[in-house]
Amino acid sequence: SAVISQKPSRDICQRGTSLTIQCQVDSQVTMMFWYRQQPGQSLTLIATANQGSEATYESGFVIDKFPISRPNLTFSTLTVSNMSPEDSSIYLCSVEIPLNTEAFFGQGTRLTVV
Amino acid sequence: GQNIDQPTEMTATEGAIVQINCTYQTSGFNGLFWYQQHAGEAPTFLSYNVLDGLEEKGRFSSFLSRSKGYSYLLLKELQMKDSASYLCAVRDQTGANNLFFGTGTRLTVIP
Repeated sequence: SAVISQKPSRDICQRGTSLTIQCQVDSQVTMMFWYRQQPGQSLTLIATANQGSEATYESGFVIDKFPISRPNLTFSTLTVSNMSPEDSSIYLCSVEIPLNTEAFFGQGTRLTVV
Repeated sequence: GQNIDQPTEMTATEGAIVQINCTYQTSGFNGLFWYQQHAGEAPTFLSYNVLDGLEEKGRFSSFLSRSKGYSYLLLKELQMKDSASYLCAVRDQTGANNLFFGTGTRLTVIP
């Protein structure tokens, strides 16, 4: 298993600003993922954070809006840029150890944009 | 693409048995997962099926029929703490072999 720490756990932000969410894993992992969970809905994959290369984004998500960094095998950040109220959601970091088995999730970051 | 369907809500009585169904359509099936998510918390892994049949793990069991695109999660001897959302997720080996989640089933256990 893996212990995943995400911060901040929650934040309230003004529209038009940006928030960077950090994800720290207690062991080296090949693949890290970022999900969004909008109120009352399930998880939607935003992107795969690739170490040493640009993230791979799913349909409907773009790098300008959700830039991702992955400087090493234990850490990643997701930035929600130029926020609007529609970005209010829970953002979750996830890893798979080993690859393609069950996913482990961080506690999530509850973002409210006002 | 992927299409994963679950009932939105279910209610069951403490001590009873409940079955949560999940149907899916995917172009490259490579495993089905069930997760439990309590309100305000992260999803936690419950079970994994890649071959047809029943996987039993304590009070929880999960069944898969690949030919029917169907799975269910069976919860026995329900406890109040089992009140949570249960997420069905399918791994699609087309492309990046990512996990795709259904909308989740919110289970309420009543006394």
